Amino acid sequence: AQKVTQAQTEISVVEKEDVTLDCVYETRDTTYYLFWYKQPPSGELVFLIRRNSFDEQNEISGRYSWNFQKSTSSFNFTITASQVVDSAVYFCALSEAQGGGADGLTFGKGTHLIIQP
Amino acid sequence: NAGVTQTPKFQVLKTGQSMTLQCAQDMNHEYMSWYRQDPGMGLRLIHYSVGAGITDQGEVPNGYNVSRSTTEDFPLRLLSAAPSQTSVYFCASSPSGNTYNEQFFGPGTRLTVL
Repeated sequence: AQKVTQAQTEISVVEKEDVTLDCVYETRDTTYYLFWYKQPPSGELVFLIRRNSFDEQNEISGRYSWNFQKSTSSFNFTITASQVVDSAVYFCALSEAQGGGADGLTFGKGTHLIIQP
Repeated sequence: NAGVTQTPKFQVLKTGQSMTLQCAQDMNHEYMSWYRQDPGMGLRLIHYSVGAGITDQGEVPNGYNVSRSTTEDFPLRLLSAAPSQTSVYFCASSPSGNTYNEQFFGPGTRLTVL
């Protein structure tokens, strides 16, 4: 069965520091999709990125970057020069191709990121 | 487009009461799903639907019913509310018939069962 582990329950850093959120996944499928979502204090879920299992290229979007390594089953998320607005709960999630991908996303338990001014 | 809408935003029930959480999307998405979010648990799938007339159970379906009579609507029914169903409920939709792509989430319904 698939599983997503976000071992960091809470991280607190001072503004402008770089911070990395870890995500480790387990799956028997060779085709799968990984996601990161942000949940700010207002409660909505905001999509950040999607990555399929065949694309190990790292991605950078502004201050955000993602490092996908199949060898270690990890999909880590780094925020460079953090800002107070980055304070949120961040979820990593997995969708397997087995079953046609219909049976939902498997979410990690989330990492609560606190950026102190 | 309004995207995914959920009503109500907040609800308080007494044990044993029933209610329906509404979810609607105006993006013509085939795939819709319901998740519950509990502190320290992430989101867990309750039920999902790959199209009108088709529903299936997720990880935590007990105590909940769903139906999908139209592409737009996917209501979640609590037949006899229990304190263990106190949670935040999110509805989501996706343009493909699966979860390979971005899921569009509604704003959530915060439910308290006393």
